[in-house]
Amino acid sequence: DTGVSQDPRHKITKRGQNVTFRCDPISEHNRLYWYRQTLGQGPEFLTYFQNEAQLEKSRLLSDRFSAERPKGSFSTLEIQRTEQGDSAMYLCASSFRDNSPLHFGNGTRLTVT
Amino acid sequence: EDQVTQSPEALRLQEGESSSLNCSYTVSGLRGLFWYRQDPGKGPEFLFTLYSAGEEKEKERLKATLTKKESFLHITAPKPEDSATYLCAVYLLYGGSQGNLIFGKGTKLSVKP
Repeated sequence: DTGVSQDPRHKITKRGQNVTFRCDPISEHNRLYWYRQTLGQGPEFLTYFQNEAQLEKSRLLSDRFSAERPKGSFSTLEIQRTEQGDSAMYLCASSFRDNSPLHFGNGTRLTVT
Repeated sequence: EDQVTQSPEALRLQEGESSSLNCSYTVSGLRGLFWYRQDPGKGPEFLFTLYSAGEEKEKERLKATLTKKESFLHITAPKPEDSATYLCAVYLLYGGSQGNLIFGKGTKLSVKP
C-alpha cells in the first residue's frame, strides 16, 4: 500500500502524559499536513510542512503541540501534558504540490482519560 | 471570515432515490474546491477537484459541479455502499495561520436498501 500511513491507530493516555504520533506520507509528496477532527466536525488545520520546513501553524495550536519533519520524510506530532480536550482524531495528509489534492491517512484516535 | 457551509447535515435516502448535497462558501479567494468521502473511523478519501465555475466532474454515481458561490454533489440512483459522510473543502488563495484548506462539517448520507 503506497498511501499515507499513521501510527498508532489508537492511543489511550492519562491526562498530563506526553504522546507522539508518526506519519509517513506518500513518497513523492513534498507537502505534509496535520489536522484534528472531532465528532461531527470537519478536519481542522493544525500545521503543514513543505519538505522539512514548517510553513504554517494554526493560531489555535497550543504551545503543548509540536511537529517535526526531519529530512523532509516522515513527520511526528507531539502533544505534551495532554488534556481531556485533546481527545480527537489526528489526521495526517500529504500532497504533491501547492493546490493539489490532499491524501489522508486513517488517523490516530487519541483518548485522554 | 472565510467560511464553508454544508447542507443538509444529514440525509436519508432510499436505494435508487437521487439527490444533491450542497456546499456553499464565503471566502476571500478561491483556488479550488475538493470533495471527500469519509467512512466511520477512517480518514477522508479524495473524490474530486473543481477549479473554476462551470466545471463538472463525474465518477460512477457521483457528479460534482461548481458555481461562484457553491458546489453540488449529485448522487444518482444511490446504493447502500454510498452511505458515508461527504466533506467539502475549499482551497484558499491566502490561507495563513488557518491553513489553505478549510473544511465544511460534512453531510452524513444514509442509503437504505
